Amino acid sequence: DQQVKQNSPSLSVQEGRISILNCDYTNSMFDYFLWYKKYPAEGPTFLISISSIKDKNEDGRFTVFLNKSAKHLSLHIVPSQPGDSAVYFCAASTGAAGNKLTFGGGTRVLVKP
Amino acid sequence: DTEVTQTPKHLVMGMTNKKSLKCEQHMGHRAMYWYKQKAKKPPELMFVYSYEKLSINESVPSRFSPECPNSSLLNLHLHALQPEDSALYLCASSLNPFSSYEQYFGPGTRLTVT
Repeated sequence: DQQVKQNSPSLSVQEGRISILNCDYTNSMFDYFLWYKKYPAEGPTFLISISSIKDKNEDGRFTVFLNKSAKHLSLHIVPSQPGDSAVYFCAASTGAAGNKLTFGGGTRVLVKP
Repeated sequence: DTEVTQTPKHLVMGMTNKKSLKCEQHMGHRAMYWYKQKAKKPPELMFVYSYEKLSINESVPSRFSPECPNSSLLNLHLHALQPEDSALYLCASSLNPFSSYEQYFGPGTRLTVT
C-alpha cells in the first residue's frame, strides 16, 4: 500500500515560470511533510517542510501548501531555474513512529533555458 | 553545518566478502538512519538508531548488520550479500527520533555486488 504518492513522474517547465509538484497521502497519522531534491548519484537534499498544523510554508523561491482535508500537498518553485532540474521527493512522517520517513515515488523536473 | 559524510563513495564486493559502510555526523543529532535506494525508486528505510540504540529494523535480512559505536558514527556491516543488494545506501540523521524533524542525508555509497 503506497501511503505517499506523486502521480506525475515528470514535469517540464520553462525557465522563469512556476513549477508545481503535487503529492497525495492516505495516512491521516502523518503530521510532518517534507520535500527533498535529488541529483543523480547524490543523497537527497532537504528543501522545505511543513507541520500538519500549518497550511503554508515559504522559503525563498519554494512554497509548500498543505490541504489536510484533501490529504494533498504541493510544492511551488518560482521562478524556476535550470539548476532546479532534479528529482523531487515528497515525504511524510509521524513523530510518534520514530520519525520514520515515507517517500513518494518522485517527480523528475526539467527546467528548460 | 548540515553535513553527513559517508565512506566509501563506491564499493564493489563479491558475494563471499565482508565489508562495512561508514557514516558520520557532527550536528549533535541523536537519531541516525540507513536507507537503501534502487534506481528510479524512492529511498526505503532499513534501520533507525535512537540515542545509539537500534529502535527500528524494517525486516532487513541478517546479512546487513548495523552498529552505532557512538552518537556521531553509524556503520553498516555487510556479509554474504546477493547481487540484488546492489543499490545506493544512504545514511541520514535528525535532531531526535521522538518528534518529526528534517532528516539530513549523506551522499551515499554506491554498492555493487558481483
